[in-house]
Amino acid sequence: DAKTTQPPSMDCAEGRAANLPCNHSTISGNEYVYWYRQIHSQGPQYIIHGLKNNETNEMASLIITEDRKSSTLILPHATLRDTAVYYCIVRVGSGGYNKLIFGAGTRLAVHP
Amino acid sequence: KAGVTQTPRYLIKTRGQQVTLSCSPISGHRSVSWYQQTPGQGLQFLFEYFSETQRNKGNFPGRFSGRQFSNSRSEMNVSTLELGDSALYLCASSWNGTSTGELFFGEGSRLTVL
Repeated sequence: DAKTTQPPSMDCAEGRAANLPCNHSTISGNEYVYWYRQIHSQGPQYIIHGLKNNETNEMASLIITEDRKSSTLILPHATLRDTAVYYCIVRVGSGGYNKLIFGAGTRLAVHP
Repeated sequence: KAGVTQTPRYLIKTRGQQVTLSCSPISGHRSVSWYQQTPGQGLQFLFEYFSETQRNKGNFPGRFSGRQFSNSRSEMNVSTLELGDSALYLCASSWNGTSTGELFFGEGSRLTVL
């Protein structure tokens, strides 16, 4: 299973864009990149996922490099409620298994 | 629609006891997976069930087991509890059981072993 590397912590000013990087250099062609976040003591919350193309939804944008070895999650206008641990996950693509390998994540602190 | 429901939310057990945790997935979801979260090891995959069959298993000892019922509800059991089993146990459900389906997590069951 491909592993991910994320910075342990980041800061962001409220109202600014938060750009969270992730390295997944051993990703395979059929493995998806998923982002989840976990607010203290709650279950992880799905944010976005992608395979090759950039993706956008109401919460965030996901930019995947052409070689797929890294990606960036963008929260366009961070709010205090976006303070959480963000997990970048490579999800096994073959066999239909729902096995997520979580790394340590990035602790994002949004400040006023 | 209702989210993933886990019961009990909190429980305290002593070493050597056993515990059963329950997870009710979102209506229509057929896949249920379980995760353990501890401060030291983070979030670790335990196992996944799809249509009452275990499809994948993480690296946990045999004391950890699970099952899924015909209505997709799932239970996990931990026997002969150890202090290190203290953790937040999370359940996640998915409708199609493939790698492209979003996983929805419950709020977890927090187990404390004394």
